[in-house]
Amino acid sequence: DAKTTQPPSMDCAEGRAANLPCNHSTISGNEYVYWYRQIHSQGPQYIIHGLKNNETNEMASLIITEDRKSSTLILPHATLRDTAVYYCSTTSGSRLTFGEGTQLTVNP
Amino acid sequence: GAVVSQHPSRVICKSGTSVKIECRSLDFQATTMFWYRQFPKQSLMLMATSNEGSKATYEQGVEKDKFLINHASLTLSTLTVTSAHPEDSSFYICSASLLDSTVETQYFGPGTRLLVL
Repeated sequence: DAKTTQPPSMDCAEGRAANLPCNHSTISGNEYVYWYRQIHSQGPQYIIHGLKNNETNEMASLIITEDRKSSTLILPHATLRDTAVYYCSTTSGSRLTFGEGTQLTVNP
Repeated sequence: GAVVSQHPSRVICKSGTSVKIECRSLDFQATTMFWYRQFPKQSLMLMATSNEGSKATYEQGVEKDKFLINHASLTLSTLTVTSAHPEDSSFYICSASLLDSTVETQYFGPGTRLLVL
């Protein structure tokens, strides 16, 4: 699985969009990009995944660059409950490897 | 959909005893189940991969005789920490993978916090 790199922390104002970047420059052609988040003392929550096209669901949007070497998770209107550690991962098959993640803090 | 449960959510035990943790996929049959461990302020570390009816595959450095995994059905996997010691105290999280067209997505349980005294 490709190594992922994320900034350790980010802040966002409540109601604004949160844009969380992830670098996965060694991703191979059949690896998907997955995003999860973990709120303190809970199991990770699935957010979204994609292969090469941009994806959107009720939680977030995923923008993958054309060369697939990086991606951005977008929370369009962040709320205080979105404060969590966000993990970007790549997977081939079903195996995930978690990096250090980004601690997103949404401020009132 | 895609709900995974774990039991117990929290356990405190004496050093030398064994502890069993259950992981269930409640509304789907899991292709594969995974066990992770997470220490405070650290990321999740994969311990083992488990398929129903076959032996688990353990990650390098994880003792298979200490962390026994049984995957009895497509909806249940158990992790037994044998002869637990204080250094085994951690947050144990399972996941179950659901095949959706061409990709398997892991859904995680709420975790089990183990404290060994």
